[in-house]
Amino acid sequence: SQQGEEDPQALSIQEGENATMNCSYKTSINNLQWYRQNSGRGLVHLILIRSNEREKHSGRLRVTLDTSKKSSSLLITASRAADTASYFCATDARNYGQNFVFGPGTRLSVLP
Amino acid sequence: GAVVSQHPSWVICKSGTSVKIECRSLDFQATTMFWYRQFPKQSLMLMATSNEGSKATYEQGVEKDKFLINHASLTLSTLTVTSAHPEDSSFYICSMGRGNIQYFGAGTRLSVL
Repeated sequence: SQQGEEDPQALSIQEGENATMNCSYKTSINNLQWYRQNSGRGLVHLILIRSNEREKHSGRLRVTLDTSKKSSSLLITASRAADTASYFCATDARNYGQNFVFGPGTRLSVLP
Repeated sequence: GAVVSQHPSWVICKSGTSVKIECRSLDFQATTMFWYRQFPKQSLMLMATSNEGSKATYEQGVEKDKFLINHASLTLSTLTVTSAHPEDSSFYICSMGRGNIQYFGAGTRLSVL
C-alpha cells in the first residue's frame, strides 16, 4: 500500500512565490526525506528529517514533520523557474519492517 | 554529495533481447543498492534491494528470473532485463545507500520495440 502520499499532485506558481507541498504516511518511520527529480533524470536528495525532529531548514527549503498526524510539508520560499521539477517524499521505516517508500510526487511548475 | 553513475542513459532494443544496465558508485562504497522502475508521471516503484554480502530481495510481483540483479561489489550493481518485451519499456533508476540517504543514478530509459 502507498506509504507516502503527496498533495497537491501538481502545483503551478509564479516566480517569487512560495510553494508548499504536503506528504502523508501511514506507519511509524525512522526518518522522512524529500527528493527532487528533473524531467527524465534521477533523483536528488534535498533534506532529511528524523522522527524526533519537528522542523528543519536548508537554504530556501523548510521541512516540517508532525508524527502525530503522520504528515510532513516542504516549503520552498522565493521560488525560481529553476525549481520546476517533481518533488517526492520518501519514508524510511526500515526499523519497522517497511522498505524505503516514495510517494507519488508533486509536479511543481514555476512560471517566470 | 556522493556520485552514482548509471548507464546507458537510453537504450532501444528488439523484443526478446536482453539488456544490461549498470550502476556504479564513483566515490563511496554502498552498503545497500536499490533498483526502481518509474512510469511516466508516476512515482518510483521499488523492484529490489540488495545488501552487502547477500542476494537481492525482490518486491512482490517482480519476477526475479526476468530482472536479474547482480551486486558485483560494493561499488557496482547491474540489472539485466532478460527477454525484454514492449511492456518492459520504462525508466529504470538505481540508487545506492550511504547511511540514511540514497544517491541516485541518472536513470535509464528502456524502449523495447
